[in-house]
Amino acid sequence: AQRVTQPEKLLSVFKGAPVELKCNYSYSGSPELFWYVQYSRQRLQLLLRHISRESIKGFTADLNKGETSFHLKKPFAQEEDSAMYYCALDAGGTSYGKLTFGQGTILTVHP
Amino acid sequence: NAGVMQNPRHLVRRRGQEARLRCSPVKGHSHVYWYRQLPEEGLKFMVYLQKENIIDESGMPKERFSAEFPKEGPSILRIQQVVRGDSAAYFCASSPGRGGHTQYFGPGTRLTVL
Repeated sequence: AQRVTQPEKLLSVFKGAPVELKCNYSYSGSPELFWYVQYSRQRLQLLLRHISRESIKGFTADLNKGETSFHLKKPFAQEEDSAMYYCALDAGGTSYGKLTFGQGTILTVHP
Repeated sequence: NAGVMQNPRHLVRRRGQEARLRCSPVKGHSHVYWYRQLPEEGLKFMVYLQKENIIDESGMPKERFSAEFPKEGPSILRIQQVVRGDSAAYFCASSPGRGGHTQYFGPGTRLTVL
């Protein structure tokens, strides 16, 4: 069965500092990986997905199949980036559409 | 576009009562997913439904829990004879198709069992 691990429950950085939210997964196939974000008082929303290979709000994430990781990075954090971030995996096949989530990382960006 | 709607937002039940959680997907979406978030944990998949069909219920507890998505009306997650361990946030998401599509999440229903 697939599993997603976000080792940091809490992450604090100062504005302008680089930030990296870690995500590791275990799955023997070729999954799709996602990052979802939940800002204060808002619903969970998609931030980015690995197949799009795009940068959203300055965030990027590269799928590293060798290390089974999908870390989320931003070179210069902003206060508005403070939120809960979830890494998620879609295993495909018969599980296509079913997301497996990590436990989430609360990012706080201090002024 | 109002997005995914869930109601009620908060639901309080006593042990042994029934809980009914409703989810109205984004207009035009025919795929609905239910997830549960227990305190201090991430979201856990429960069930995936397409109109009138259950596609994958591998995350549903075998007893007391059921889900439906009728041809007309919202998707319903039903929990019979609730216990304290059912206290959690229940999220619904919808998508226009299976996999490969962004899932749009509702605001969740927070169930508290006294």
